[in-house]
Formats: sequence, C-alpha cells, structure tokens
Amino acid sequence: KQEVTQIPAALSVPEGENLVLNCSFTDSAIYNLQWFRQDPGKGLTSLLLIQSSQREQTSGRLNASLDKSSGRSTLYIAASQPGDSATYLCAVPSGSARQLTFGSGTQLTVLP
Amino acid sequence: NAGVTQTPKFQVLKTGQSMTLQCAQDMNHNSMYWYRQDPGMGLRLIYYSASEGTTDKGEVPNGYNVSRLNKREFSLRLESAAPSQTSVYFCASSVDTVSQAFFGQGTRLTVV
Repeated sequence: KQEVTQIPAALSVPEGENLVLNCSFTDSAIYNLQWFRQDPGKGLTSLLLIQSSQREQTSGRLNASLDKSSGRSTLYIAASQPGDSATYLCAVPSGSARQLTFGSGTQLTVLP
Repeated sequence: NAGVTQTPKFQVLKTGQSMTLQCAQDMNHNSMYWYRQDPGMGLRLIYYSASEGTTDKGEVPNGYNVSRLNKREFSLRLESAAPSQTSVYFCASSVDTVSQAFFGQGTRLTVV
C-alpha cells in the first residue's frame, strides 16, 4: 500500500526566505505527483502536477522536483511571502483505481 | 469559472437523519471523487466514479452511498448519520484518474 509522508509537519519562516517542503512515498511506481495548497477552511488548490517522466515542473515562484528512484519530491518556494501561508499537501495516484493518496501536509507560516 | 461546486457548505444533522451532499463540475471531466478530511487522518477517499455510469468504493465507504447522476454531477448520501461521520467532505474531479485534480470548497458536516 502506498504511503506518503511529509516532513516537517509545520514550518515558520521570515518573509523573503527561500524554502523547501519535502514529500516522500514508498512505492516508486507512480504516474505523477501533485502538490496542493489548502487555506484554512477552504478546499484544495492544485499547484503543480509533475509527471513520472519529468524531473522538474515550475510555476511562478514554485518549483517541484521528482526523484522516483528515491521516492522523493520537493516543493521549492522562492522569496516567500505572507500570502504563501497555508498547508501544502502532496499526493500520488495509487491502487488499482489510481485514486490519490495524500500526505498529511506541511503547515507553512511566513512571518512579515 | 465555477469549477467544482458543492452544496451545502455547512450542515448539522441529528444522529439517524439522512442527507445528500451535492457536487457538480463544469469542466467536462470524466472522473469524480468524494473525500473526507479529519484531523490527524488526512484526506481519505470515500467513493469515486472513474467515468459516467461507474462508481466504486474507496478507502472508507461504510455508511455512504453515491450516485453519478450524469457526467457533471456526483452526489454522496448518508442514509443514517452517525457522529463518526462528522467531518469536512470534499468533492473533486479530473479528466481521468491520473490527471490534475480540482477540488470543491468543501462541506462541513456535524452530526450530533
């Protein structure tokens, strides 16, 4: 059974810092990996989807990398802003139905 | 630019009552999903519909039923609500089961 782990569970940084969020998964036979953002009391917003054949995917200040062989993905946020404060979740399709298996998330706080 | 729309946003039920959570998407997606999100448990799949006309159980289907009414709509029914079903429920959709997923804003359900 696929398991997805995100460390740390919470992270607090001053505004302007570059930061890295980590995601690891146990079964490397994945189709892709998605990063989501969730604001308090809100739904999930898809940030990036990185295919298994890709090593990186970029959107604005966000860069996601994928290393299938080691079962790891990182989300790099450049020049962090208070508006980046949210919980970030990673997810991979798994199982016979390829339903998303989620990590427990990293709660990010960017201090002004 | 509606995306995935869920109704209602909030609901309080008494134990034993029934209700249906509605979900509609306007992106012409084939696949639709129902998740629940609980503190410490993360997001867990209840049911999904890979394509119109099909539905399948996810990780936590007990106590729920679903209907894929048409390509746009996927409803979740609680026949006899229990306090253990207190949760935040999210509907999601995607082109197929390995594509980028889009989530609704959630339904916060309390069963007393």
